[in-house]
Amino acid sequence: GAVVSQHPSRVICKSGTSVKIECRSLDFQATTMFWYRQFPKQSLMLMATSNEGSKATYEQGVEKDKFLINHASLTLSTLTVTSAHPEDSSFYICSARLAGGWGDTQYFGPGTRLTVL
Amino acid sequence: EDQVTQSPEALRLQEGESSSLNCSYTVSGLRGLFWYRQDPGKGPEFLFTLYSAGEEKEKERLKATLTKKESFLHITAPKPEDSATYLCAARGPGTYKYIFGTGTRLKVLA
Repeated sequence: GAVVSQHPSRVICKSGTSVKIECRSLDFQATTMFWYRQFPKQSLMLMATSNEGSKATYEQGVEKDKFLINHASLTLSTLTVTSAHPEDSSFYICSARLAGGWGDTQYFGPGTRLTVL
Repeated sequence: EDQVTQSPEALRLQEGESSSLNCSYTVSGLRGLFWYRQDPGKGPEFLFTLYSAGEEKEKERLKATLTKKESFLHITAPKPEDSATYLCAARGPGTYKYIFGTGTRLKVLA
């Protein structure tokens, strides 16, 4: 249980194009999803918190017009990297929050490797 | 400021050589301490959630413990397939966001 998928797993695009990454919770509903970015040999950097049916909350320094997040249903959140540039190349990982009483746990997707040429 | 610190940064063990990974946290009103395993090029895989001091959880060769200041991930008789980066994260009150440590890269040699 608690499986999260991401699509695509890998994408290569030209500079200036937009790329959409999907994150789905397959066997549970997630009112909250998170988007992270990870650089080589570094830990996860939270980019934004995505809440179903409302606007995403972005972390300081993350451009909301650059990284568009939509959480249209309880099982799907999307991250669109607009007008991508080589510096946007990175490993993007989403997670979905499985709520459980007093506590809760984030379950992560397998990640998407974005390469911008 | 809330913070999570992991040590050591990297650890090399011989197969069968037990050891512990440390996760120190300064989070007031801890709402959960989480351990994940991450393999290269993949997303983190959930291992354990701990909520209160004194709590312990086990899974195969792994055992996680929690005190009021730190958590340990004990690895008993590790195998090469246990090689991965182990991430620790903490959640405080009033937020669903996690504070992640920088991870411990574990290499188990056959």
